[in-house]
Amino acid sequence: QKEVEQDPGPLSVPEGAIVSLNCTYSNSAFQYFMWYRQYSRKGPELLMYTYSSGNKEDGRFTAQVDKSSKYISLFIRDSQPSDSATYLCANARTGGFKTIFGAGTRLFVKA
Amino acid sequence: NAGVTQTPKFQVLKTGQSMTLQCAQDMNHNSMYWYRQDPGMGLRLIYYSASEGTTDKGEVPNGYNVSRLNKREFSLRLESAAPSQTSVYFCASGLSEGGKNIQYFGAGTRLSVL
Repeated sequence: QKEVEQDPGPLSVPEGAIVSLNCTYSNSAFQYFMWYRQYSRKGPELLMYTYSSGNKEDGRFTAQVDKSSKYISLFIRDSQPSDSATYLCANARTGGFKTIFGAGTRLFVKA
Repeated sequence: NAGVTQTPKFQVLKTGQSMTLQCAQDMNHNSMYWYRQDPGMGLRLIYYSASEGTTDKGEVPNGYNVSRLNKREFSLRLESAAPSQTSVYFCASGLSEGGKNIQYFGAGTRLSVL
């Protein structure tokens, strides 16, 4: 079992839709939860990070962590074609140097 | 402000050839990382360096060596390339503060081993 799992997609939605991207993890020691966005043929870039459980909002993006079920979500409101990318879920322990990445979910937003 | 710079961007090798992938960061980060990314496998850690002068194995270190030349530079060497090493390689540097480690990635090196 992988430590961090994501549905690879692809997920295709019309412009303006609300997108829900999900991730599960197995290691209870994870405290930091991150979402990276990776455009085609580019390196990943940090989109959001949250510590422990709860929600965090940044513009059109909301990250949600439920540690009791080891479930992480990223919601994108009013999705745009520019949101088309692969979204990587990533987890890490407090003070740790290693980050464990999921394989990513490919998202296509159609104009 | 370049961030994390990787060279070369593309490389084709024959089986058995050697090469070094270069990485430099200008963000004064202590930690640096090398990952490979394969379809369906996500990012897998090859080696990392928590600070200048230290290196440690990651998930898939076999067939690779690394050198942390100084705080800025972290190189990855393939001594005898194999087709299984065909992949996209990413270097990252890490900012550690408040217990968290946020990583910043380079644009990647696309390597094909024939």
